Amino acid sequence: AQRVTQPEKLLSVFKGAPVELKCNYSYSGSPELFWYVQYSRQRLQLLLRHISRESIKGFTADLNKGETSFHLKKPFAQEEDSAMYYCALDTGFQKLVFGTGTRLLVSP
Amino acid sequence: EAEVAQSPRYKITEKSQAVAFWCDPISGHATLYWYRQILGQGPELLVQFQDESVVDDSQLPKDRFSAERLKGVDSTLKIQPAELGDSAMYLCASTLPDEKLFFGSGTQLSVL
Repeated sequence: AQRVTQPEKLLSVFKGAPVELKCNYSYSGSPELFWYVQYSRQRLQLLLRHISRESIKGFTADLNKGETSFHLKKPFAQEEDSAMYYCALDTGFQKLVFGTGTRLLVSP
Repeated sequence: EAEVAQSPRYKITEKSQAVAFWCDPISGHATLYWYRQILGQGPELLVQFQDESVVDDSQLPKDRFSAERLKGVDSTLKIQPAELGDSAMYLCASTLPDEKLFFGSGTQLSVL
């Protein structure tokens, strides 16, 4: 079965604290994974994709095939990082399966 | 930056009525998607188009939902008759091959 699991509905941290949003996937093929973000009153947008191996807004995510995980990390959270974060799996032909999302709340 | 346009932004209807949502993708984007997002969940794919052809509608409840993209540009998603459980955000997205998905602002449907 193709599935993306985000175990935390809400993650609340203080500004400057490290952040890790968890994502686990189930997929029989070679996975292509993404993190999408939705800021308040904005559209859902791509944050990063694992094949790019890039850091966006200080966030990174490493694909761990052994643990079937794609956790999103940032060493020092900022208030503007507060948003809804969705992990997504491409199941072929750019068809995405999304997790249920994690709300990140960064307090001053 | 070009955007995916959706209308209406909000729709309130009574159960058993018909509703329709419209999406205009970014110009040149051949692939168009309709997703449904129920409160507290992630987006779920309903239908995927490549130009005017349906690529995948396996998750579309075809007894009441229909989608079309007649000229391979804009698209309409229809529900008839609407049921209480259809209340959700309906998102449209478009993309180019091997590119990221661009999402619209969505249509928030409330069925009373």
